[in-house]
Amino acid sequence: SYVLTQPPSVSVAPGKTARISCGGNNIGSKSVHWYQQKPGQAPVLVIYYDTDRPSGIPERFSGSNSGNTATLTISRVEAGDEADYYCQVWDSSSDHQNVFGTGTKVTVL
Amino acid sequence: QLQLQESGPGLVKPSETLSLTCTVSGGSISSSHYFWGWIRQPPGKGLEWIGIIYFSGSTYYNPSLKSRVTISVDTSTNQFSLKLTSVTAADTAVYYCARQYEVELATMGELDYWGQGTLVTVSS
Repeated sequence: SYVLTQPPSVSVAPGKTARISCGGNNIGSKSVHWYQQKPGQAPVLVIYYDTDRPSGIPERFSGSNSGNTATLTISRVEAGDEADYYCQVWDSSSDHQNVFGTGTKVTVL
Repeated sequence: QLQLQESGPGLVKPSETLSLTCTVSGGSISSSHYFWGWIRQPPGKGLEWIGIIYFSGSTYYNPSLKSRVTISVDTSTNQFSLKLTSVTAADTAVYYCARQYEVELATMGELDYWGQGTLVTVSS
C-alpha cells in the first residue's frame, strides 16, 4: 500500500518560515491536500490540489509538489500556527483509498 | 454553512459492534460529486481513513478494516452511518465524519468539511 512519510516535528521561531515535507513514491503525480489540526479540534483543510488555498486560509500558507516530495510552507510563522499538520492523497494504484501522512507537529519557539 | 455532527455511544464493549451516525445539515447528502466518509484518530496518534460512501451507495473502504466495516447512507434523513464489528481496545479513537469531493470517476480530492469528532472507548 502507498505510504506517506512526514517528519515527526518541526520547530520554528516566530516570523520565520516552516517547511513540512511529505514523502511518497512519485507523489508528484498525485494531488496532495494538507490539513491543520489543533489540540482537541477537527482537522482543517489548509491547502488542496498541491497549491490551492481555501477561502479564509492566510496567504502565508503555500504548497508545492514534485518528484517524491510534497511540501507545505508556512511563511512569517505566528504562535497560532502551532499545530499538527497532515498530508493526504488518493491512491488509485491498487486499492482505491485515502492515505494520510504520519503527521508533523509544528512548534513555534 | 454545511455542518456535520457525529452521534453514538461513547463506550463499546470488546467484541461488540461500534455504531455511529453522522447528520449533515446546511446541505444535501445527495449532492453530486461528494462522497461522505469516516476517519478516526487513536489518542495521541495520527489520522486513519476508514471509508467513504456516495448517496447512491457506492463505497470505498480501507483494505485493513474492510472485513469489519460497513458504511451506509440514508438520504431521507440526510445521514450516513458507520458500523465496525468485533471491536478491541485498538479501535478506541476519536471518530470523525467528513465530506470528500470526487474529482472524476473513482478519484477523490480533498476532505473539505469535518464534524467535531466523537470519542469512542472500547472497554469492558
